[in-house]
Amino acid sequence: SYELTQPPSVSVSPGQTARITCSGDALPRQYGYWYQQKPGQAPVLVMYKDSERPSGIPERFSGSSSGTTVTLTISGVQAEDEADYYCQSADNSASYRVFGGGTKLTVL
Amino acid sequence: EVQLVESGGGLVQPGGSLRLSCAASGFTFSTYEMNWVRQAPGKGLEWVSSFNSSDNTIYYADSVKGRFTISTDNAKNSLYLQMDSLRAEDTAVYYCARGDGFDIWGQGTMVTVSS
Repeated sequence: SYELTQPPSVSVSPGQTARITCSGDALPRQYGYWYQQKPGQAPVLVMYKDSERPSGIPERFSGSSSGTTVTLTISGVQAEDEADYYCQSADNSASYRVFGGGTKLTVL
Repeated sequence: EVQLVESGGGLVQPGGSLRLSCAASGFTFSTYEMNWVRQAPGKGLEWVSSFNSSDNTIYYADSVKGRFTISTDNAKNSLYLQMDSLRAEDTAVYYCARGDGFDIWGQGTMVTVSS
């Protein structure tokens, strides 16, 4: 079965830049999406189609894609950005969706 | 306001059945792909099933194929998930989410499978 691989954790100090990666063999052909989830809350879409930011998401969130990896970058990290982040994409057939295992972002 | 509201969760014994509902409002429900995603306690997100409204194509994760059935009722702006032969490992919060980008999520409904 298809898998997306994320680092389990990323830690940064306030004001620094956090980069969270997501790797998968089909990512050159399928878009990546990113979700932020805070404890006890439903996920929120923070990036779609690799690098498009939904309305209402701060400009410090950006996305990029290169080969088999998509990256979510948070510039000037704030304490409120501490959360779990999940990537999502589809397999080569575009039939099956999959989520990465999630990355816990800790703001030191 | 665009909104999704899940209901129907609860406690069920192993081998039992449950039907989840997701009521949509604030958008043209019939034009969107709709999805179910679950999250076991303390675990990550797991895609469960998708309904593609453009061609009525249905997809299931291998973990639920043959046991779960996704359906929609456009007249009621609702998405459903019929869950049969439930197992302990199906215990999770179940979310419905809109579109191929999962851009809108409901608040979730808890399903507990236990004797």
